[in-house]
Amino acid sequence: DQQVKQNSPSLSVQEGRISILNCDYTNSMFDYFLWYKKYPAEGPTFLISISSIKDKNEDGRFTVFLNKSAKHLSLHIVPSQPGDSAVYFCAASARGAGSYQLTFGKGTKLSVIP
Amino acid sequence: GAGVSQSPRYKVTKRGQDVALRCDPISGHVSLYWYRQALGQGPEFLTYFNYEAQQDKSGLPNDRFSAERPEGSISTLTIQRTEQRDSAMYRCASSPSDSHYGYTFGSGTRLTVV
Repeated sequence: DQQVKQNSPSLSVQEGRISILNCDYTNSMFDYFLWYKKYPAEGPTFLISISSIKDKNEDGRFTVFLNKSAKHLSLHIVPSQPGDSAVYFCAASARGAGSYQLTFGKGTKLSVIP
Repeated sequence: GAGVSQSPRYKVTKRGQDVALRCDPISGHVSLYWYRQALGQGPEFLTYFNYEAQQDKSGLPNDRFSAERPEGSISTLTIQRTEQRDSAMYRCASSPSDSHYGYTFGSGTRLTVV
C-alpha cells in the first residue's frame, strides 16, 4: 500500500512555463515532506522541504505547497528550464523516533522542452 | 569524502551467489541508511545505522540480507544466495544526525541476478 503517491509518471512543459508536480499521502503521522531531484546515473539530491506547521516554502524558482487537510503537496517550478528535466521524488518523514526513515513516491519524470 | 561513494557501480551475479555491496559515507556523518529501488519505483528503506549500531533493520526483506558498519564509517550490505527478485538499484545515504536533515544519497549499485 503506497503511503506516498505520485500519480503522474511523466510531465512535459515548455521552457519558461510553470511546472507543477503533485504528491498525495495517506499516513497522518507524516510531518515533514521533501522533494528530491534525480538525474540519470546519479543519486537523488535534496531540492526543497516543508514542515507540517507551514503551508508554503519557497527557494528561488522552487515553491512547495502543503495542504494538510487534503493530504496533498505540490512542487511548483517557475520558470521551468531545460536543466530541470529530471525525475522528481516526493518523500515524507513521520514524527518521533522513526523520523530518519523516508517514504518515497514512485517519482514523476519532468521534461522541459526548449 | 565529498559525497557518498558506493562500489561497485554495477554487479552482475549468478543466482545462488553471495554479493557484498559497499558504502563509504560522507566523512563525519554519523547516520547511514540503505535503500533499495526497483525499476519505476522510489527508494524503499532497508536499514539504518547510528555510528556502528544497527538501530533499525525492519526493511530488510528476509534473513538473506544483512548489513554491518563495524567502525562506524564504511558499511557493507550482504545478500546471500541471491535470487532474481533481488535485482534492483541499492542506494546508500548518510546524514549528520539521526533525522531526515542533510540526507545525501550515493549513486547506487545496480545489482543484476541472472
